[in-house]
Amino acid sequence: LAKTTQPISMDSYEGQEVNITCSHNNIATNDYITWYQQFPSQGPRFIIQGYKTKVTNEVASLFIPADRKSSTLSLPRVSLSDTAVYYCLVGPMNYGGATNKLIFGTGTLLAVQP
Amino acid sequence: GAGVSQSPSNKVTEKGKDVELRCDPISGHTALYWYRQSLGQGLEFLIYFQGNSAPDKSGLPSDRFSAERTGGSVSTLTIQRTQQEDSAVYLCASSSLLDRDEQFFGPGTRLTVL
Repeated sequence: LAKTTQPISMDSYEGQEVNITCSHNNIATNDYITWYQQFPSQGPRFIIQGYKTKVTNEVASLFIPADRKSSTLSLPRVSLSDTAVYYCLVGPMNYGGATNKLIFGTGTLLAVQP
Repeated sequence: GAGVSQSPSNKVTEKGKDVELRCDPISGHTALYWYRQSLGQGLEFLIYFQGNSAPDKSGLPSDRFSAERTGGSVSTLTIQRTQQEDSAVYLCASSSLLDRDEQFFGPGTRLTVL
């Protein structure tokens, strides 16, 4: 399973764009990149998933360079309610057996200030 | 539709007692995960069930921990002879290839061992 590395924490202010980068140097050909968000006292929830280039949804954008050894989650114009832990996961989509699973790391704590 | 549910939401027990935590996954989801999250920490993978395959128990911290999944649906995590270091929030998630393997989390069970 590809190991991921993220900053432990980041600070931002309301209205700013926030970019959180995740390194995954040994990503495999069939691995996808998925980001989750976790608020205090809640389970994580899916934000966005991609394989290459750029993916955008109503919440965030995900930028993946050609070598796929890193990815950047971009949150436009953050608000106080975006304060949460953000996890980057890398793993295959086609789960074929019991050993295929995604592992959550420690994540990045984003603190948005007024 | 119904999401992942877990029970109880809170459990306080005395050191040395056994506890059972229950997870009801989303109907039709073949994959089920158990995680543990200590205060201020990331998620710690415990066990993974996928369909009828043998579960991946590689994350269980000791032989006091066990889990089963009956009929490919409901799962029970059992902790025998609980210790104070077992105090944490225990999260369950389920996923399906039809939902891009997105993990849907339950609200968790907060276990406190006195």
